[in-house]
Amino acid sequence: DIQMTQSPSSLSASVGDRVTITCRASQSINSYLNWYQQKPGKAPKLLIYAASSLQSGVPSRFSGSGSGTDFTLTISSLQPEDLATYYCQQSYGTPITFGQGTRLEIK
Amino acid sequence: QVQLQESGPGLMKPSETLSLSCTVSGGSISPYYWSWFRQPPGKGLEWVGYISYSGTTNYYPSLKSRVTISVDTSKNHFSLRLSSVTAADTAVYYCARGFLVRGIIRWFDPWGQGALVTVSS
Repeated sequence: DIQMTQSPSSLSASVGDRVTITCRASQSINSYLNWYQQKPGKAPKLLIYAASSLQSGVPSRFSGSGSGTDFTLTISSLQPEDLATYYCQQSYGTPITFGQGTRLEIK
Repeated sequence: QVQLQESGPGLMKPSETLSLSCTVSGGSISPYYWSWFRQPPGKGLEWVGYISYSGTTNYYPSLKSRVTISVDTSKNHFSLRLSSVTAADTAVYYCARGFLVRGIIRWFDPWGQGALVTVSS
């Protein structure tokens, strides 16, 4: 199985801050990396697919980058509604696997 | 706009067989792939398996002996069966639509709201 490791596991930031979450794969996954946002008590929502493509309807303050084994999700200017847990997911091969999640809190 | 809705038993006893259904509205089952995920309380996401509109399946290896995913295109829904459940299978179960690139499933959108299944004696 391809192991996905996110860092940090949790972070606290202020409204307007630039926030970066990283995801590392245990082997190269090319650009087959997606990011999901899960708000408390809700289903996951696709934010970024194929490492850097913004899903339709997702605010442009979200962006993704990376390839191979190292990836980042960036929120350029944190908003109160961004309170959530963020997961990366690899689709290079099965079984499909997720990172452990990064819990984002608003100061 | 495609919407997915899970339905299931809620509370089960150990050794029973879990049956969940995901109804797709606002779009057709064909020609997509459809997947199940689960999330134990307070934990992360786990992929369970997926099925194509034509019935091709792929399951998480550690669950493969207990899992069956099926699709009914006439009713526009797909289903999950998980046999011999234990407390470790307690989770919110989500269904989602899969998108393919060059014949390989790559990302999932949208997701259903989720169905909590609790296994307890």
